[in-house]
Amino acid sequence: GESVGLHLPTLSVQEGDNSIINCAYSNSASDYFIWYKQESGKGPQFIIDIRSNMDKRQGQRVTVLLNKTVKHLSLQIAATQPGDSAVYFCAEKLLGGGSNYKLTFGKGTLLTVNP
Amino acid sequence: NAGVMQNPRHLVRRRGQEARLRCSPMKGHSHVYWYRQLPEEGLKFMVYLQKENIIDESGMPKERFSAEFPKEGPSILRIQQVVRGDSAAYFCASSPTVVDTIYFGEGSWLTVV
Repeated sequence: GESVGLHLPTLSVQEGDNSIINCAYSNSASDYFIWYKQESGKGPQFIIDIRSNMDKRQGQRVTVLLNKTVKHLSLQIAATQPGDSAVYFCAEKLLGGGSNYKLTFGKGTLLTVNP
Repeated sequence: NAGVMQNPRHLVRRRGQEARLRCSPMKGHSHVYWYRQLPEEGLKFMVYLQKENIIDESGMPKERFSAEFPKEGPSILRIQQVVRGDSAAYFCASSPTVVDTIYFGEGSWLTVV
């Protein structure tokens, strides 16, 4: 079954606001997490990743936070823009396991940015 | 550096026909993965291949589905005798090594009528 899940299926924000997309995972052995953005009719686009030995990682306008204690992952998007409207997926992987090539995806959160 | 290339982007097949989806990984990537995405769902792992080898096909239905990654040419995902339930988006991904970031193609949308 799924070991990665998302709290909210949809999120609507105003342009310029910050967005926070949450993800819960159930496999405490997972040691690598990735956020993907998928626009309608396109493939998943890598946004940012984080390994389990870190609790925060920043990119351009995005920050991923990892709380291993409660098995929670979040993606923060600063100054959200209309172009950020998409479905966001978190995915996990066990780098140290025998299936270290296999990503497990959650169902996704639809982010809508209102102008 | 071109991304992962998939074709066709859209494919319509009648029930019972064969669907053949092609994937060229990014340059320098020898690890190829296929994932399937049903409407309003996340991606599900199907198969992992390296050149001329199927490493893990545990996510593929045991019948009608097959995959290959020949020494020369693209990886092929083949679905024989398609049924309506095969309608989905099929994504190919590649990586240079198994622990590196996996990059996805734009997908092939299969519709079975």
